Amino acid sequence: DVKVTQSSRYLVKRTGEKVFLECVQDMDHENMFWYRQDPGLGLRLIYFSYDVKMKEKGDIPEGYSVSREKKERFSLILESASTNQTSMYLCASSLLVPGKLFFGSGTQLSVL
Amino acid sequence: AQTVTQSQPEMSVQEAETVTLSCTYDTSENNYYLFWYKQPPSRQMILVIRQEAYKQQNATENRFSVNFQKAAKSFSLKISDSQLGDTAMYFCAFGIQGAQKLVFGQGTRLTINP
Repeated sequence: DVKVTQSSRYLVKRTGEKVFLECVQDMDHENMFWYRQDPGLGLRLIYFSYDVKMKEKGDIPEGYSVSREKKERFSLILESASTNQTSMYLCASSLLVPGKLFFGSGTQLSVL
Repeated sequence: AQTVTQSQPEMSVQEAETVTLSCTYDTSENNYYLFWYKQPPSRQMILVIRQEAYKQQNATENRFSVNFQKAAKSFSLKISDSQLGDTAMYFCAFGIQGAQKLVFGQGTRLTINP
């Protein structure tokens, strides 16, 4: 079975902390994505990557960075967490574009 | 820029009824794809159905079907014989052929009551 694994289901951090959200997929997919989900706003794309070490900004990249050193792993980094980054973060991967996205179970991040 | 609008934040129906979720989109592109994703309380998003814009025939997956009106830029999802397990957030999404990203709507929270 296809699997996208996000390292934490719930995370609580303090304002100003550096936060790492990890995502691993086992499907050998080229494309990986980080979305943010907020009530009433749906899913908004933060960053995506179409190959190792390649990344592209999505619609809301401010305050975030990403890293993709290996094909199966895509990390989202909050350099200095702020309260307005409290949200649900969803990682996804796909083989084709625009294709079926395979999602992780999400990380609910609270920044206090 | 492409936008996707779901105008129904919440819907509620009785088990076994048929329900239709609305989605409209705005684009100047001609080759694109439309999707409906389901997010149950477990939070694991899964693809429900997909439609290629160049296909005139509406996509169907068991109890799920779409009404794709290209000229009206409308893409509604019909769930027949609704079941308790259909309770979830449903998101409509749009993607341009050859482009990686999908644009999602705001979501519709659907509750199926016993």
